[in-house]
Amino acid sequence: AQSVTQPDIHITVSEGASLELRCNYSYGATPYLFWYVQSPGQGLQLLLKYFSGDTLVQGIKGFEAEFKRSQSSFNLRKPSVHWSDAAEYFCAVRGAAGNKLTFGGGTRVLVKP
Amino acid sequence: DTAVSQTPKYLVTQMGNDKSIKCEQNLGHDTMYWYKQDSKKFLKIMFSYNNKELIINETVPNRFSPKSPDKAHLNLHINSLELGDSAVYFCASSQGSSGVYEQYFGPGTRLTVT
Repeated sequence: AQSVTQPDIHITVSEGASLELRCNYSYGATPYLFWYVQSPGQGLQLLLKYFSGDTLVQGIKGFEAEFKRSQSSFNLRKPSVHWSDAAEYFCAVRGAAGNKLTFGGGTRVLVKP
Repeated sequence: DTAVSQTPKYLVTQMGNDKSIKCEQNLGHDTMYWYKQDSKKFLKIMFSYNNKELIINETVPNRFSPKSPDKAHLNLHINSLELGDSAVYFCASSQGSSGVYEQYFGPGTRLTVT
């Protein structure tokens, strides 16, 4: 069965500092990996996705993520956070054939001025 | 030009009542989903429909019944509401049912059962 673990429940970062959110997945075949962001009271917005090819993927809002098969990880990074990046971030996995998207527990990011 | 919309945004009701949440997408997508987000923000898929046909039915009490009158709509009816049904319910849609298609999420419906 597929699963996703986000080890950090909360992360606090200063505005302008770099951010890295961890994501580890478990899936028997080639996974399709996603990062979503949920701002307070809002729905989920896709930041980026990985299907194949270059293991470093670029997304919206200046985010990037790196797929490391050997570590079963898909960590999200941003070089310099803005106050508007304060939100809940979800990593998710699904298989090529299936449409079941499995989410991690989320990481809440707080941004200090 | 909202892509995926849900009504109502908030729903407060008493235990034992029956309620419905509606979802509509104007993206021309074939596949729609319902997810439940609990108080700890954990998101889990409940149902998925492709071309009005149920293709995913997770372990959900049969008090929950999805209905897809057409490809653009997926409604969720809940009978005999319980306290544990309190959550945020998200509707989503995608162009197709395979893994390559991005899912677009609605704004959510916050259900509170008292």
